[in-house]
Amino acid sequence: QKEVEQDPGPLSVPEGAIVSLNCTYSNSAFQYFMWYRQYSRKGPELLMYTYSSGNKEDGRFTAQVDKSSKYISLFIRDSQPSDSATYLCAMGGRAEYGNKLVFGAGTILRVKS
Amino acid sequence: DARVTQTPRHKVTEMGQEVTMRCQPILGHNTVFWYRQTMMQGLELLAYFRNRAPLDDSGMPKDRFSAEMPDATLATLKIQPSEPRDSAVYFCASGFGDTQYFGPGTRLTVL
Repeated sequence: QKEVEQDPGPLSVPEGAIVSLNCTYSNSAFQYFMWYRQYSRKGPELLMYTYSSGNKEDGRFTAQVDKSSKYISLFIRDSQPSDSATYLCAMGGRAEYGNKLVFGAGTILRVKS
Repeated sequence: DARVTQTPRHKVTEMGQEVTMRCQPILGHNTVFWYRQTMMQGLELLAYFRNRAPLDDSGMPKDRFSAEMPDATLATLKIQPSEPRDSAVYFCASGFGDTQYFGPGTRLTVL
């Protein structure tokens, strides 16, 4: 079993839809959680990070963490064709991982205009 | 706008040749990571440095790969000899604390 599970998709939605991207994890040592966005032929770009359970909002993006269920989500409101990319979740915990991050496989998102 | 830079952006080489990839981390960052990304395996950590000291290279094939940080502004990843299975995109990332910022990658093709 992988430490971080992420549905690879692809997920295809119409423009304006609310998108939900999810990851589950098995190691309770993870303390902080991140989402990266990767456009085709580009490097991953840090989108959001959070350290605690609950919600964190940034514009159209909301990151949600539920440590009790070992489940994290990224919600995108009013999705745009420019949101089409691969979204990778990542997580870390200093005691066990140092500065390393464990990445999910990435979910391919396609927003159709 | 500080960014991680990587050179070359593309490299095509023949099996058996040496390949050197370079990375300039963001000034002030104290951690540097080398990743390999393929469709089949996703993003794999090859090596990581903190304050220029190698902390983990367990993801690297030791017989052919080597990673170094000769100074704080340069990290290198070498493959010698290269093999077709090394064809992938190689990313460098740098960070300070928990976050990592990725470079644009080197797309390597070994024929």
